[in-house]
Amino acid sequence: GQQLNQSPQSMFIQEGEDVSMNCTSSSIFNTWLWYKQDPGEGPVLLIALYKAGELTSNGRLTAQFGITRKDSFLNISASIPSDVGIYFCAGFSGAGSYQLTFGKGTKLSVIP
Amino acid sequence: DAGVTQSPTHLIKTRGQHVTLRCSPISGHKSVSWYQQVLGQGPQFIFQYYEKEERGRGNFPDRFSARQFPNYSSELNVNALLLGDSALYLCASSFQAGGPNEQFFGPGTRLTVL
Repeated sequence: GQQLNQSPQSMFIQEGEDVSMNCTSSSIFNTWLWYKQDPGEGPVLLIALYKAGELTSNGRLTAQFGITRKDSFLNISASIPSDVGIYFCAGFSGAGSYQLTFGKGTKLSVIP
Repeated sequence: DAGVTQSPTHLIKTRGQHVTLRCSPISGHKSVSWYQQVLGQGPQFIFQYYEKEERGRGNFPDRFSARQFPNYSSELNVNALLLGDSALYLCASSFQAGGPNEQFFGPGTRLTVL
């Protein structure tokens, strides 16, 4: 089945720095979703992308749907301590696809 | 508005037992999906139900089953539990079935199999 390769696996940054993470696939996806998960909780939807080339922001977060439809990236600007958590990309591979496929996550640590 | 709710929060079972997990979707949402998340991994798709019918199934054995009720709530059942079934079980709610669509997750049920 489809797999999403998410990188980096983990990152340590200083508070105030910008962060970038990405997700790639060997097959085409028609929807990209970015989630944040805190320990012991369910993933929280951050941004949804539906069109190739689409760039969408949610506060300090910006995500883009790659032109090839095989990748997406998430940027976080001016990181703060509460940005700590695991960020997952997820996607639907086609119209009518019922399976939301997840990457393995990027663990973000913010050093005050 | 209430988000997705799941019960119980935590559960401890022994090998061979059966377990039932419950989920209530966001009001107005007709689709419920179930995911298994083991430590250090992303969630893995188990089932999606829409309007009480199974619309999709992931690569899980027949020991896993689910159903959706007329009020759109759902149950996930796992029979003959194995140690490897220990995981966080997540329920996701969406307005319609499949993609493109947004799925909203509940807090999960932490299942431990001893």
